[in-house]
Amino acid sequence: NAGVTQTPKFQVLKTGQSMTLQCAQDMNHNSMYWYRQDPGMGLRLIYYSASEGTTDKGEVPNGYNVSRLNKREFSLRLESAAPSQTSVYFCASTGQAGNTIYFGEGSWLTVV
Amino acid sequence: GIQVEQSPPDLILQEGANSTLRCNFSDSVNNLQWFHQNPWGQLINLFYIPSGTKQNGRLSATTVATERYSLLYISSSQTTDSGVYFCAVDGFKTDKLIFGTGTRLQVFP
Repeated sequence: NAGVTQTPKFQVLKTGQSMTLQCAQDMNHNSMYWYRQDPGMGLRLIYYSASEGTTDKGEVPNGYNVSRLNKREFSLRLESAAPSQTSVYFCASTGQAGNTIYFGEGSWLTVV
Repeated sequence: GIQVEQSPPDLILQEGANSTLRCNFSDSVNNLQWFHQNPWGQLINLFYIPSGTKQNGRLSATTVATERYSLLYISSSQTTDSGVYFCAVDGFKTDKLIFGTGTRLQVFP
């Protein structure tokens, strides 16, 4: 029972570098989400995908791109990392609107 | 967009005490969930409760949708209850689940 799997778990980037966070779920869920959590703060929605092939902006989309590759996978890309993007990133999924949401374990990203 | 406020921001309890956490939201919601984030950062879903009352062991939750608030009750608190409690909502016009700022709970023996 893997649930929601995120990779990598830890990453250090230099300013201006690019990277992609990968997320996969094995629960046949339609909706997937990317959130970021800054120290001592709540979670803020970056991007959201209601179904394969669709994506939508959340509260803080600037500096990020996403791709819903298929029903299982939802990736988050930082094209040119900035120190302000230092954060913990969480991927999540849910079967239908209104169902319980399940989170991955988080990806700790530091941009220096 | 929908606004979510939680109170209190911080709560310090001795083991065995009871507590009530509150979540206010600014619009009608299709979905409301309570989560516990443990000290290691893991997010665990506690309740899916867009309306009504639910109980799970020492925890219970009540949402009064018409008055736009939800309450999480923790009875006989234990040190393992420590962490941050979040509520998250999405409105009828959107499927985006928005989180409140959380209540940080510390339970001491």
